[in-house]
Amino acid sequence: AAGVIQSPRHLIKEKRETATLKCYPIPRHDTVYWYQQGPGQDPQFLISFYEKMQSDKGSIPDRFSAQQFSDYHSELNMSSLELGDSALYFCASSRAPPSGIADTQYFGPGTRLTVL
Amino acid sequence: SQQGEEDPQALSIQEGENATMNCSYKTSINNLQWYRQNSGRGLVHLILIRSNEREKHSGRLRVTLDTSKKSSSLLITASRAADTASYFCATAVPFTGGGNKLTFGTGTQLKVEL
Repeated sequence: AAGVIQSPRHLIKEKRETATLKCYPIPRHDTVYWYQQGPGQDPQFLISFYEKMQSDKGSIPDRFSAQQFSDYHSELNMSSLELGDSALYFCASSRAPPSGIADTQYFGPGTRLTVL
Repeated sequence: SQQGEEDPQALSIQEGENATMNCSYKTSINNLQWYRQNSGRGLVHLILIRSNEREKHSGRLRVTLDTSKKSSSLLITASRAADTASYFCATAVPFTGGGNKLTFGTGTQLKVEL
């Protein structure tokens, strides 16, 4: 079965550079989520999109922005990178049923971002 | 503090033994999900238990949920070396527009020795 695809898998950037992470959800999944996992930490929710609209926002820095496109893929844009942004960035997708009923989120393999 | 806190933080057992991990949370939830993560790898979904369910099984996995105590447990029976990984519980709270936000616990590092 198709899974969530993330690209690139690894990314090395210098401080103050920008980075763009891409996520391709499982076919027919209309909701995309982004999570950040620092070394030895649990994943932290950043932002999510449902039907191309932002549905919720977590602990995402103002330097980061994201969007979901008409084909449901999503991009996380990170500017003015800092050393502390080094982490694993996961994208997850789900097929969101009507409000009030939650669904399983399937995670991609992650993008490992290293900021030097 | 964390929505989900797990204990123990680390667990080391022999192959064939059972492993039990516990998770506690603070707010009302729609469901609770357990994930496995091998070192530096992606999160693999194991099982989802809804707030109106008390127990669920999947292969060698058994999950319980006690909403009155706001706690859940994951039992892995007849463990194997390949079960060595970090295990996270994640509580799901729905967005108004659809979908749900997962808040992860701190994780339990399980090591299964031969």
